[in-house]
Amino acid sequence: SQTIHQWPATLVQPVGSPLSLECTVEGTSNPNLYWYRQAAGRGLQLLFYSVGIGQISSEVPQNLSASRPQDRQFILSSKKLLLSDSGFYLCAWSVEGAGFEYFGPGTRLTVT
Amino acid sequence: AQSVAQPEDQVNVAEGNPLTVKCTYSVSGNPYLFWYVQYPNRGLQFLLKYITGDNLVKGSYGFEAEFNKSQTSFHLKKPSALVSDSALYFCAVRDRHGGATNKLIFGTGTLLAVQP
Repeated sequence: SQTIHQWPATLVQPVGSPLSLECTVEGTSNPNLYWYRQAAGRGLQLLFYSVGIGQISSEVPQNLSASRPQDRQFILSSKKLLLSDSGFYLCAWSVEGAGFEYFGPGTRLTVT
Repeated sequence: AQSVAQPEDQVNVAEGNPLTVKCTYSVSGNPYLFWYVQYPNRGLQFLLKYITGDNLVKGSYGFEAEFNKSQTSFHLKKPSALVSDSALYFCAVRDRHGGATNKLIFGTGTLLAVQP
């Protein structure tokens, strides 16, 4: 069966520090991968999606970036965190034709 | 432009009573429709989907949703609410054409509170 992992589960980082969040998927090949941010415990904002290795599409301009070095690995990064980067970050995957996405457990990021 | 509206920020219901969480959508063509549930500090869990066929869709945990094309609605329902159903519920829509580049559009979420 398919599984999606995210780590770390929680992270507290100072303003200006770098960020690296990792997401991996097991049990499927060539998934579509997504990064979402959920601020204030409510709305979901799509940040990046990827349809293949090295293929990244950005949805919103910001100081975050994403990379997909392997088929089932998706990384969210920042060189310098802002206070406004605080939130709950969710990774998701889907396969063509399924229509819907499976979500990971999320990473709670607090920028202080 | 595609959009999803969940008009209620919060729905309160007594345990054992039926519950409805409302969702309306705007999308060109025929949509895929979904409901997700999120418990505190957890990722979203898929509940159910409408792709085609019967307008009444049954999903996990006793939930169901009715697709109404004329009213462009996809309300989530359950005949008898449980305290454990208390969570944040998201409606989502995707145009059935376009693949991964055709994004899943989420509503703003409705907090369901079931009182014992």
